[in-house]
Amino acid sequence: RKEVEQDPGPFNVPEGATVAFNCTYSNSASQSFFWYRQDCRKEPKLLMSVYSSGNEDGRFTAQLNRASQYISLLIRDSKLSDSATYLCAVDYTGFQKLVFGTGTRLLVSP
Amino acid sequence: GAVVSQHPSWVICKSGTSVKIECRSLDFQATTMFWYRQFPKQSLMLMATSNEGSKATYEQGVEKDKFLINHASLTLSTLTVTSAHPEDSSFYICSAASGGSSYNEQFFGPGTRLTVL
Repeated sequence: RKEVEQDPGPFNVPEGATVAFNCTYSNSASQSFFWYRQDCRKEPKLLMSVYSSGNEDGRFTAQLNRASQYISLLIRDSKLSDSATYLCAVDYTGFQKLVFGTGTRLLVSP
Repeated sequence: GAVVSQHPSWVICKSGTSVKIECRSLDFQATTMFWYRQFPKQSLMLMATSNEGSKATYEQGVEKDKFLINHASLTLSTLTVTSAHPEDSSFYICSAASGGSSYNEQFFGPGTRLTVL
């Protein structure tokens, strides 16, 4: 079983749709959780950290479920510019050694 | 956010040659730098962690004699791929953080695409 798993997609949604991604992790001792966005052939950019209480940043909401060992990302009112690959990352050590999932590809169409 | 640069952005080399990739933090002091590798359609895989002035810590399965890492200053780390072979062709990305805990955000460089012929 992979340490961090994501559905590769692609998720094809129309503009304005709400879409949600999940990411499961295997190590129950995981300390920190993150969502990154990666555009084609570019570096990942931090979208948001994921806290136990959940957090929201504009159209983006992240949740952590420690009992079931998954994190989620919800995107509301999708824009064309949201088309990208969304990577989740988990830090098991507390020292920034990130383990990434393979990413979920999102395609938002007009 | 902070800026991290990488040089070169792409490189094509012949099998057997060595390639050096530089990673610089431009506007902050990076006590910790990380090197990742990403093969097509795969996730970023951490190769090694380097702290300024000390030896890098390599992840399991990464050959330290093949991937030489030097972190000589708080703004510069280098990765040298020695005797590169076609299977080393990949996207190499560095990241830098001002500290080693999870509270210190990692800032990623733009990556270096290595193609070994």
